[in-house]
Amino acid sequence: GAGVSQSPRYKVAKRGQDVALRCDPISGHVSLFWYQQALGQGPEFLTYFQNEAQLDKSGLPSDRFFAERPEGSVSTLKIQRTQQEDSAVYLCASSFTSGATDTQYFGPGTRLTVL
Amino acid sequence: AQRVTQPEKLLSVFKGAPVELKCNYSYSGSPELFWYVQYSRQRLQLLLRHISRESIKGFTADLNKGETSFHLKKPFAQEEDSAMYYCALITYSGAGSYQLTFGKGTKLSVIP
Repeated sequence: GAGVSQSPRYKVAKRGQDVALRCDPISGHVSLFWYQQALGQGPEFLTYFQNEAQLDKSGLPSDRFFAERPEGSVSTLKIQRTQQEDSAVYLCASSFTSGATDTQYFGPGTRLTVL
Repeated sequence: AQRVTQPEKLLSVFKGAPVELKCNYSYSGSPELFWYVQYSRQRLQLLLRHISRESIKGFTADLNKGETSFHLKKPFAQEEDSAMYYCALITYSGAGSYQLTFGKGTKLSVIP
């Protein structure tokens, strides 16, 4: 079956614009994660959903970042008033259960460039 | 605080030579560690996890709690092993939440 998909794959935004990044997890997966990967760095945790509940948003860098998963499937990461430091690859991952050692399956990422 | 350190940004080895990718961690609890790999133009994928004590594509990793290490090893490197490797640690943040804490990654280049 299809893996985790993300759209758009590439996004260029002018500083100050709002952007919305979409993640389609593997069907039936309970857990969904967003990570941010800056150039030359490993992925860094942003937020975690268990079904539709956002259990942890401690990694969101500022209140300009907002994520939702209203029906427990598709998730959207929204960034308001983008800044140059928001430029990064945004990765979505999902896992079948809520178990911590369950395999996280990653999407291809959305590369955001803020000019 | 929890932390994963991969001291080498780039590691170059000749085909057929042994490979060791280093990973050290800092965590107060009982660690659960993983190696993820990203081949060129592909997405990040799980290579192996320490609890399974498995060997995947000839790679193994042993958790050494005394040295707080989880180094990835392969006795004979192949060209197809060239990729970016990330060591990751499960960290718990309460209320049923957890996350992967990644190192910065090591780029392995296998020279033909």
